[in-house]
Amino acid sequence: EAGVAQSPRYKIIEKRQSVAFWCNPISGHATLYWYQQILGQGPKLLIQFQNNGVVDDSQLPKDRFSAERLKGVDSTLKIQPAKLEDSAVYLCASSPLENKPISYNEQFFGPGTRLTVL
Amino acid sequence: GQQVMQIPQYQHVQEGEDFTTYCNSSTTLSNIQWYKQRPGGHPVFLIQLVKSGEVKKQKRLTFQFGEAKKNSSLHITATQTTDVGTYFCAGRGDSNYQLIWGAGTKLIIKP
Repeated sequence: EAGVAQSPRYKIIEKRQSVAFWCNPISGHATLYWYQQILGQGPKLLIQFQNNGVVDDSQLPKDRFSAERLKGVDSTLKIQPAKLEDSAVYLCASSPLENKPISYNEQFFGPGTRLTVL
Repeated sequence: GQQVMQIPQYQHVQEGEDFTTYCNSSTTLSNIQWYKQRPGGHPVFLIQLVKSGEVKKQKRLTFQFGEAKKNSSLHITATQTTDVGTYFCAGRGDSNYQLIWGAGTKLIIKP
């Protein structure tokens, strides 16, 4: 079974530039997550999709970050414009459909995209 | 809002010594998951605990969920070099879908 795919693996940009990340979840997984992991910290959820609908985007800085999952499969996360503090690893994860308050599903993570903003 | 505190931040051990990390939540959790992240890698799921007072074992790893479902621990017996990495707990509150992650405990084996 193929895992979660992410690209690019590394990206270096200047502040105020734009950047986009791509994620393809495990086949059949309805739930997709984007996390930001700053060095030395735990992952912070940015947005959670169930199929092509947003379940939670309460921690997404909506003035500069956007994400979409138009066909309910792969997803893109965009930052425009980037700031120095956006330097982090952006992790995508997926899990099977969650349709009850208590989730019994583990999350499968991709390798991440390491973003450096200069 | 809900917070999950994890301690210690780092633990240095000699190979063969034991290792323990603790997680405490500000609110009651419906469940808690544990993940391991190797240096340069991504988090990998280890286990999920759901029931009050639950204890689960995976070889040298023992996971516990507190009676009040507000704390959890991971204990590794006789650490090996393959255990090196950062261990994260992630707890889900009673009333929302979001998994709140601890800051992780980094296990370092002394040379």
